Amino acid sequence: DSGVTQTPKHLITATGQRVTLRCSPRSGDLSVYWYQQSLDQGLQFLIQYYNGEERAKGNILERFSAQQFPDLHSELNLSSLELGDSALYFCASSVGRGISGNTIYFGEGSWLTVV
Amino acid sequence: DAKTTQPNSMESNEEEPVHLPCNHSTISGTDYIHWYRQLPSQGPEYVIHGLTSNVNNRMASLAIAEDRKSSTLILHRATLRDAAVYYCILRLSPGGSQGNLIFGKGTKLSVKP
Repeated sequence: DSGVTQTPKHLITATGQRVTLRCSPRSGDLSVYWYQQSLDQGLQFLIQYYNGEERAKGNILERFSAQQFPDLHSELNLSSLELGDSALYFCASSVGRGISGNTIYFGEGSWLTVV
Repeated sequence: DAKTTQPNSMESNEEEPVHLPCNHSTISGTDYIHWYRQLPSQGPEYVIHGLTSNVNNRMASLAIAEDRKSSTLILHRATLRDAAVYYCILRLSPGGSQGNLIFGKGTKLSVKP
């Protein structure tokens, strides 16, 4: 158990809909990261927050957004869903901003299926 | 960003040592070398990391070449539970814009009983 909690574990929704994935980082961790893993793209970095502020942005679509709240939990919002958005979404956390030596801990992921 | 090159797959027998290679010829002086692994249907899991010297922990050892252009993850006695995809990642230096992990395709390790 990494200490990173993600909900829901599984989600099935229709195209055009909007979903919210939730992440609680490990106790004391200030950084939260979101990754998307699909069969053809592998693990893709989406976005990072540090203590409520956006720290880094990767291959995140404009239809997707995220935020980190004062209690440090984070939410990833996916809207206007398409079939290609079906993937496993991982949240991860680390103590610091992501300095080279910091370890990043991953949750078990949220399986999203868009039908 | 500096990139890594790993074999797509490797096979090992249970209870034998496994050496997983990684080439990173464009590594910069302050890039750390991280190894993560992903077991089936699970999130990636930290294995080990190092900068210049060889490193040991309870999971594995990391051997880093003197010129830092390559490294090897060593599992001393492979178990069936070690079957996973192993990722060698260069963690960007503090001066870079991002501290996140950039994953490549990794090496899929199969362990035979």
